[in-house]
Amino acid sequence: QSALTQPPSASASPGQSVTISCTGTSSDIGIYNYVSWYQQHPGKAPKLMIYEVNKRPSGVPDRFSGSKSGSTASLTVSGLQAEDEADYYCISYAGSNIGVFGTGTKVTVL
Amino acid sequence: QVQLVQSGAEVKKPGASVKVSCKASGYTFTDYYLHWVRQAPGQGLEWMGWINPNSGATSYARKFQGRVTMTRDASITTAYMEVSRLTYDDTAVYFCARDGERAYVYWFFDVWGRGTLVTVSS
Repeated sequence: QSALTQPPSASASPGQSVTISCTGTSSDIGIYNYVSWYQQHPGKAPKLMIYEVNKRPSGVPDRFSGSKSGSTASLTVSGLQAEDEADYYCISYAGSNIGVFGTGTKVTVL
Repeated sequence: QVQLVQSGAEVKKPGASVKVSCKASGYTFTDYYLHWVRQAPGQGLEWMGWINPNSGATSYARKFQGRVTMTRDASITTAYMEVSRLTYDDTAVYFCARDGERAYVYWFFDVWGRGTLVTVSS
């Protein structure tokens, strides 16, 4: 199972929005709504930001939102803040009890 | 509070095995699946597999089948992940993470351990 494809980097100025894509196939994102997103700061464990495509855990700001179209899921961060600068990863269920992460995106706040 | 506490850093020689532990507290251990995820230095996250702490059933990513074994001891609310025949490419931080829903695998990880660094060095 190949890793899901994410852009290596994304950037925006404070207050602006940034959208990160996570592209899979008809065997993973295309047929399952088990897509979640994680934020990871250097040297830290990942933190859950979005689950089941577009659900936000309690405590996660509503600036973070998720969506899916076809075999591509997306994470949008609106009203970008300095503390949002981090690496972001998606993961999807890929059938047969297997999961696959995305390649990761480094978000820079300009 | 809900937490996962992992064992300390390890240094192993190529060809050896390593066993990492993950002790759960603050919730009913047998109610939630546990996943293992690793991250090589400067690289992305890689899903390794899950274990059902209730039944002991496991599922492994294809690349780890035959070399990774996940077990648990429910009496001490601890899960284990063992990697055998270590190579330099297994140098990584290994995380355990709890699946976010009871009784099923819903593929989101709401609680994470802090990670265990395993270094393979001769």
